[in-house]
Amino acid sequence: QQQVKQSPQSLIVQKGGISIINCAYENTAFDYFPWYQQFPGKGPALLIAIRPDVSEKKEGRFTISFNKSAKQFSLHIMDSQPGDSATYFCAASLDFRDDKIIFGKGTRLHILP
Amino acid sequence: DVKVTQSSRYLVKRTGEKVFLECVQDMDHENMFWYRQDPGLGLRLIYFSYDVKMKEKGDIPEGYSVSREKKERFSLILESASTNQTSMYLCASMTSSEQFFGPGTRLTVL
Repeated sequence: QQQVKQSPQSLIVQKGGISIINCAYENTAFDYFPWYQQFPGKGPALLIAIRPDVSEKKEGRFTISFNKSAKQFSLHIMDSQPGDSATYFCAASLDFRDDKIIFGKGTRLHILP
Repeated sequence: DVKVTQSSRYLVKRTGEKVFLECVQDMDHENMFWYRQDPGLGLRLIYFSYDVKMKEKGDIPEGYSVSREKKERFSLILESASTNQTSMYLCASMTSSEQFFGPGTRLTVL
C-alpha cells in the first residue's frame, strides 16, 4: 500500500514558468512533510519541509502548499530555471520520533532553457 | 559539514557473487538506512538500523542482509547477487527529521 502518492512522474517546464508537483498521503498521523531534491549522480538532499499547522511555507522560489483536510500537499517552483532540473521526492514522517521517512516515487523535472 | 560516504560509486559483479556495499557517516547518527532507487519506483527501503547491532526489515529485504558493528558504519550484503538486483543503492543516516544521503553506488550484476 503506497502511503504517499506523487504526480506527475515527469514534468517539462519552460524557463521562467511555474513547476508544480503534487502529493497525497493516507496516514493522518503524519506530521512532517519534507521535499527532497536529487541531481544526477548525487543522493537526495532536503530542500524544504512543512508541518501541518501551517498551510504554506516559502523559501526563495520554492513554496509548499498544504491542505490538511484533503491530505494533499504540493511543491511550487516559481520562475523555474534550468538549474532546477532534478528529481523531486515528496515524503511524510512522524516527526521527532526517529521513525523512517515514507517517500513518494519521485518526479523528474526538466526545465527547458 | 554532514557527510555520508559509500565505498564505491560503480560496481560490476557476476551472478552468484557475494557483494558488500559499505556506508560510513561522520555525524554520530543512530539511525541508518539502505534504499534502492529504480526508475519509476522511487526510493524503496531495504533495511534500516536504529543502533549498533540492531536492524529492521524495510519494504524489500528479500535477497539482502545488513551488518552494523559500529555506529558509523552500515553495510549492505547481497548474499548471492542476481541480475534483478542491478540498481542504484543509496545509504542514508538520519537526525530527528532529516535524512542525509550518500552519493549512491550503481551496481550492475551480469
